[in-house]
Amino acid sequence: AQSVTQLGSHVSVSEGALVLLRCNYSSSVPPYLFWYVQYPNQGLQLLLKYTSAATLVKGINGFEAEFKKSETSFHLTKPSAHMSDAAEYFCAVSDPFTGGGNKLTFGTGTQLKVEL
Amino acid sequence: ETGVTQSPTHLIKTRGQQVTLRCSSQSGHNTVSWYQQALGQGPQFIFQYYREEENGRGNFPPRFSGLQFPNYSSELNVNALELDDSALYLCASSSTITGAGNTIYFGEGSWLTVV
Repeated sequence: AQSVTQLGSHVSVSEGALVLLRCNYSSSVPPYLFWYVQYPNQGLQLLLKYTSAATLVKGINGFEAEFKKSETSFHLTKPSAHMSDAAEYFCAVSDPFTGGGNKLTFGTGTQLKVEL
Repeated sequence: ETGVTQSPTHLIKTRGQQVTLRCSSQSGHNTVSWYQQALGQGPQFIFQYYREEENGRGNFPPRFSGLQFPNYSSELNVNALELDDSALYLCASSSTITGAGNTIYFGEGSWLTVV
């Protein structure tokens, strides 16, 4: 079964500092990977997705993620944090072979706090 | 704005009651799925519907059921509510069921509290 592990349930950075949110996946086949953001009392918004076209994926709001097969990782980064980035971030994996196009398996989330 | 709308946004039910949650998918999207997000957890896949039929189900008991209508809108029904059913219920839509790399759009969810 596909799964993702997000290391660190809470991450705190200073405004302007690098944001690094970690995600490792477990999959017997090349996975499709996603990062979603959830602001308080809201649904999920897609930041970016990896579908094997390119290992470095650029998303919205200045975020990007790099797929590293050797490390089974898909870490999310942003060069300079902004106060508006404070939210919960979820890594998710989709099974590319069972036709489960909408079947995402999510990690437990990382709460990002941005301090002045 | 994802174009996925859910109702109601908040509701409170008593243990043992039944609840129906509704979702309108983004225009042109024929695949709808439902997720349960308990407090402090990631969303968990309940099931998905394609062309009015259930196509894929997560580890949820039969008292969780759904419908998809010809206009692709959907309902999630939960019978015999339990306290642990208290959660945010998210609806998601996609333009096709094929290809696991499809972009999936989520609604803002329905908060269910069972007392």
